[in-house]
This record gives sequence, C-alpha cells and structure tokens, in this order.
Amino acid sequence: EDQVTQSPEALRLQEGESSSLNCSYTVSGLRGLFWYRQDPGKGPEFLFTLYSAGEEKEKERLKATLTKKESFLHITAPKPEDSATYLCAVQAVTQGGSEKLVFGKGTKLTVNP
Amino acid sequence: ETGVTQTPRHLVMGMTNKKSLKCEQHLGHNAMYWYKQSAKKPLELMFVYSLEERVENNSVPSRFSPECPNSSHLFLHLHTLQPEDSALYLCASRRDRDISPLHFGNGTRLTVT
Repeated sequence: EDQVTQSPEALRLQEGESSSLNCSYTVSGLRGLFWYRQDPGKGPEFLFTLYSAGEEKEKERLKATLTKKESFLHITAPKPEDSATYLCAVQAVTQGGSEKLVFGKGTKLTVNP
Repeated sequence: ETGVTQTPRHLVMGMTNKKSLKCEQHLGHNAMYWYKQSAKKPLELMFVYSLEERVENNSVPSRFSPECPNSSHLFLHLHTLQPEDSALYLCASRRDRDISPLHFGNGTRLTVT
C-alpha cells in the first residue's frame, strides 16, 4: 500500500534554531513529491515540487531535498512567521497505470521568538 | 481576482438542512478537486473532475453530491449530513495530465449540529 509518513508530528524551535522535517514514502513509480505550507484557517500553499532523487529546491529559509525513500525540508534560522503545518504529498503511478496523490498527516512547526 | 476562491468560509448546518459549497478557480486549470480535511488525518480525496467530467468518486456517501458546470466552477451539494461530516472542505485545481501541484482554496469550515 502506498504510504507517506511525516515526522515529527509536531516540532517546537527557538527563533534561529535550524532543523529538518522528514517525509518518508513507500510508493512504486514516484512521479513527483510536493511540499505545502498550511496556516491555521487557510488552505495549503504550494512550496516545492521535486521530481527525482538528488534534486534540491530552495526558497528563502527553506530547502527541500529528495532521496529514493524520503524528502527533507530543512529550515535554516527560522523566524516565528515560519510557524505553520507543513504537508508532504507524493504523486505516484498505481499498479493499474493511473496516477494518485497521497498526502502525509503533516508536521506542525512552532517557532518561538 | 486570482487563485482559488471558496464560499462560504464557515457553515453551520443541521442534519436535515440542504446547503451547497462553491469553488471558483481563475488559474486556467482543467481539473478540480474536493478534499476533506479532519484533525490528525491526511487530506482525503472526495471527487475529481477533469475537463468537466467526474473521473473519480472516492467511495463518498451519497449525501455529498458534486457538480462541475464548467472548468472554472465546482460545487459540493450537501444534504442530511451527520455530525462526523464536520471538517474543513478544501477545493483545489491543477493542470491535468501533468506533474503539477494542486492549488488550494482556503476551505469551508463545516459544522454539522
């Protein structure tokens, strides 16, 4: 069964304290991996797409990386405004040849000033 | 106006009521989605429309009825809901037949009393 697991469920950091969020997946036929940010009361906001192992994408304090089994979202010197829930989703090819998108449960990040 | 717009933002309804959720996208996408988001769970796909045809119905109870009159508009008609249907309902759109990210609206927070 295709699965996407995000860890930790929740993470508290002090402002400036760098860390990483993990998204591990067990799917066959990975087509792409997406990272989203979701603020309370809002819909998920797209951050990055990663297509193949070894790929990296950066945006401000965020850097996403991809291996054959997992992706990391590195947060460098976070600020309180980085507090949000970060979602990972994997697009994969099913046994029947169709495509499906599988979401993880998310990591809730809190950055204290 | 750009992006994906959902109305209403909040809805409280009794179990015998009939209501509709509305979604509009201004991104030129050709696929639209309804997702249900509940606490501590991954996003649950409910319905997919591609080129205005329903291509997926993820075993959703018949008390939820989608409608897609054109590629820019999507509705979710609700009737005789149960309290466990209380959740955040998210609409999303994307370019179909592509590894492209979903773009989400800010959701409708539904409470069934």
